[in-house]
Amino acid sequence: DGGITQSPKYLFRKEGQNVTLSCEQNLNHDAMYWYRQDPGQGLRLIYYSQIVNDFQKGDIAEGYSVSREKKESFPLTVTSAQKNPTAFYLCASTQFFQVNTEAFFGQGTRLTVV
Amino acid sequence: DQQVKQNSPSLSVQEGRISILNCDYTNSMFDYFLWYKKYPAEGPTFLISISSIKDKNEDGRFTVFLNKSAKHLSLHIVPSQPGDSAVYFCAATVSGYALNFGKGTSLLVTP
Repeated sequence: DGGITQSPKYLFRKEGQNVTLSCEQNLNHDAMYWYRQDPGQGLRLIYYSQIVNDFQKGDIAEGYSVSREKKESFPLTVTSAQKNPTAFYLCASTQFFQVNTEAFFGQGTRLTVV
Repeated sequence: DQQVKQNSPSLSVQEGRISILNCDYTNSMFDYFLWYKKYPAEGPTFLISISSIKDKNEDGRFTVFLNKSAKHLSLHIVPSQPGDSAVYFCAATVSGYALNFGKGTSLLVTP
């Protein structure tokens, strides 16, 4: 079954630590995205990648970094520079970047700073 | 600046009745609109979409209406079922660029 897998489901981070959220897809999709959801807010775009070895900042990229070394994988690192990292993080993919079709989402990772 | 707005944070409807979820947008360049449904602690799942060249798209119990002049779209669910209780996100895109989402409307369908 094709889909997107995010891990872990829950993640706790101490202040000042970097953490990496995993996102893997076996849909053979070119484009991948990271979104953040806060209570009462819509999904906000952090980073996106149109193709392997390419990625672009979204609306709220500060304090985050990504890599796209493989088509299947788009990990997100939440760095210590991110002032308010506690949120629900969603990874998504689309077959191509510029195509009017639905995005497939992972199940999400809830990150909590302790 | 929020380009996609869902002004009703919550909606409660009786089972069997119609649910109408509304969405407004400000960017006239948006050419494709989508609705997603989200259960707690899960990723959103695609529900239905509509291109800007159409004014209606229907899929089973779900119908999306688009009024371009008013920059407004709505999702109708008929009849509503308890399993429809979820948060519904409206999203829009310009030529397939990454989706702009609204804040969501939480729908509760009561028996």
